[in-house]
Amino acid sequence: QLVLTQSPSASASLGASVKLTCTLSSGHSTYAIAWHQQQPEKGPRFLMKLNGDGSHNKGDGIPDRFSGSSSGAERYLTISSLHSEDEADYYCQTWGTGVVFGGGTKLTVL
Amino acid sequence: EVQLLESGGGLVQPGGSLRLSCAASAFTFSSYAMSWARQAPGKGLEWVSTISGSGGSTYYADSVKGRFTISRDNSKNTLYLQMNSLRAEDTAIYYCAKDYLLAARSDCFAYWGQGTLVTVSS
Repeated sequence: QLVLTQSPSASASLGASVKLTCTLSSGHSTYAIAWHQQQPEKGPRFLMKLNGDGSHNKGDGIPDRFSGSSSGAERYLTISSLHSEDEADYYCQTWGTGVVFGGGTKLTVL
Repeated sequence: EVQLLESGGGLVQPGGSLRLSCAASAFTFSSYAMSWARQAPGKGLEWVSTISGSGGSTYYADSVKGRFTISRDNSKNTLYLQMNSLRAEDTAIYYCAKDYLLAARSDCFAYWGQGTLVTVSS
């Protein structure tokens, strides 16, 4: 079964960097994913499509501070030089037999 | 700039029906698969349904199969979701989303609308 696992919460200081993780279930380690950001009271925003080899294509207007990488079944979203507006929920998404979302990580910027 | 504007949400009684719309602009609507996803209050995202660019193929989550119908009018650049036999657990913000790939279905959601709230309650 295709499942995405995310830590429920993360925190980092203003100006620092943070690396969020999304883990693909067993047997699906080559799958591509997408990362989405959801700021409070807003609809989600597509950040990037991230392939199993670590290559990624970002959405329109996404700053260079956002980058993606992959290792085995792990997919990462790194945000550098954290801004206050980066405080949001971050969801990973994948697809295969239907569309699957991870449970989301709530990022707090201290 | 791609825009997706949902409408049609509201309060409906259990067992009732509602039709959501999503007006799209600034891209060739008929060339992209479109989807609906939802988010229950305080919860994460859940995929609901997807339709191909031509409208000829449709896909549904098990939780809504047989109750919801996705459709599109490419002449009006509008996506629809007809929701019947609504249940309390269908209460959520419903978002429409544009596919990442041109002329193919990737199921990667590249643009999202701002959502419309559906509340199922007596």
